[in-house]
Amino acid sequence: EAQVTQNPRYLITVTGKKLTVTCSQNMNHEYMSWYRQDPGLGLRQIYYSMNVEVTDKGDVPEGYKVSRKEKRNFPLILESPSPNQTSLYFCASSYRGNQPQHFGDGTRLSIL
Amino acid sequence: GNSVTQMEGPVTLSEEAFLTINCTYTATGYPSLFWYVQYPGEGLQLLLKATKADDKGSNKGFEATYRKETTSFHLEKGSVQVSDSAVYFCALYGGSQGNLIFGKGTKLSVKP
Repeated sequence: EAQVTQNPRYLITVTGKKLTVTCSQNMNHEYMSWYRQDPGLGLRQIYYSMNVEVTDKGDVPEGYKVSRKEKRNFPLILESPSPNQTSLYFCASSYRGNQPQHFGDGTRLSIL
Repeated sequence: GNSVTQMEGPVTLSEEAFLTINCTYTATGYPSLFWYVQYPGEGLQLLLKATKADDKGSNKGFEATYRKETTSFHLEKGSVQVSDSAVYFCALYGGSQGNLIFGKGTKLSVKP
């Protein structure tokens, strides 16, 4: 089954404690991206990757890191999380950026 | 830079009413346009897309036409159902940039 898998689905943690949200897709997609969803702000793109070893900033990259060492994986790293990063995060992938995105089920992060 | 503006919600309609959700965009070049739908507690799903001027995307009774002259991509459905209750997002990819831009979303509630 074609899918984008994010882990964890839920996480409560504390300020400053490094965390990683994993994202994996099994569709051999080249394009992957991360979004955060906040009430009244919709979805905002954090980072995207057009292919392995190619990443670029989206609209709200501050406080986040990503890597794309393999085609299927695109982890989101919060080196020193802060409360303003409390949000619902989605990973997505597609064959190309102008193709429809397949979304994961989301990760709800709470930073205390 | 690129941007998407969609009408603010929430929108509340009775079953079988006509639906329009307005979406306008700003972009350089020739972006691809999408409508995504998010049902409660789920990730986003592609509803329809259009990749060039005058294209009409359609799916599940929803339609949207890519109007370059008015830079619009309004979503319409002739007769909504209770099961259409969800949040709808207009999105743009490309033009001269490689990132995906979403509108803030419009929450639709359909009453029986």
